[in-house]
Amino acid sequence: AQSVTQLDSQVPVFEEAPVELRCNYSSSVSVYLFWYVQYPNQGLQLLLKYLSGSTLVKGINGFEAEFNKSQTSFHLRKPSVHISDTAEYFCAVSSMDSSYKLIFGSGTRLLVRP
Amino acid sequence: NAGVTQTPKFQVLKTGQSMTLQCAQDMNHNSMYWYRQDPGMGLRLIYYSASEGTTDKGEVPNGYNVSRLNKREFSLRLESAAPSQTSVYFCASSESPRDTQYFGPGTRLTVL
Repeated sequence: AQSVTQLDSQVPVFEEAPVELRCNYSSSVSVYLFWYVQYPNQGLQLLLKYLSGSTLVKGINGFEAEFNKSQTSFHLRKPSVHISDTAEYFCAVSSMDSSYKLIFGSGTRLLVRP
Repeated sequence: NAGVTQTPKFQVLKTGQSMTLQCAQDMNHNSMYWYRQDPGMGLRLIYYSASEGTTDKGEVPNGYNVSRLNKREFSLRLESAAPSQTSVYFCASSESPRDTQYFGPGTRLTVL
């Protein structure tokens, strides 16, 4: 069975500063990895995904994530955040073992301050 | 192209009442899902339908039933609502179980 851990429940950061949101997963088989963003009172929107190939994945809104198999991590980064990036961010994993059902982490609230 | 739509947006029920949450997608997707979102717990899968005519239990199916009415529509029914079912419910769809899931705007349900 897979699991996902997002260690930080909230990350405060000043506008234009860099940010990293951490995600670790556990799985005994190959996985697909996802980051979703949820703006207040909205549904989830896909930021980026890793299926195979290059371990550095670029997504929308200037976000990127790096898959590290040895550390079982998929951290999300952005070099310079905007006020509009304030949202909740969810890491998720799926694999053939779980019939590709998505397993979500508990989420990290990114709070960008002026 | 509306994507995934859910009705209603908000609902308040009394304990023991029943209701059905509706979900429809216009992307011709084969797979559909129902999740619940609770503070500090992320999203948890209630039921899913990998293809039209099939449904399977997810992580937290107790107290819920689903119907895949056709390829477009996937409804979630609470037969006898309980306060523990107070949550935000999201429907999602994907081309297949391996593909990216697209989410609806959610239904905020309160059970008193």
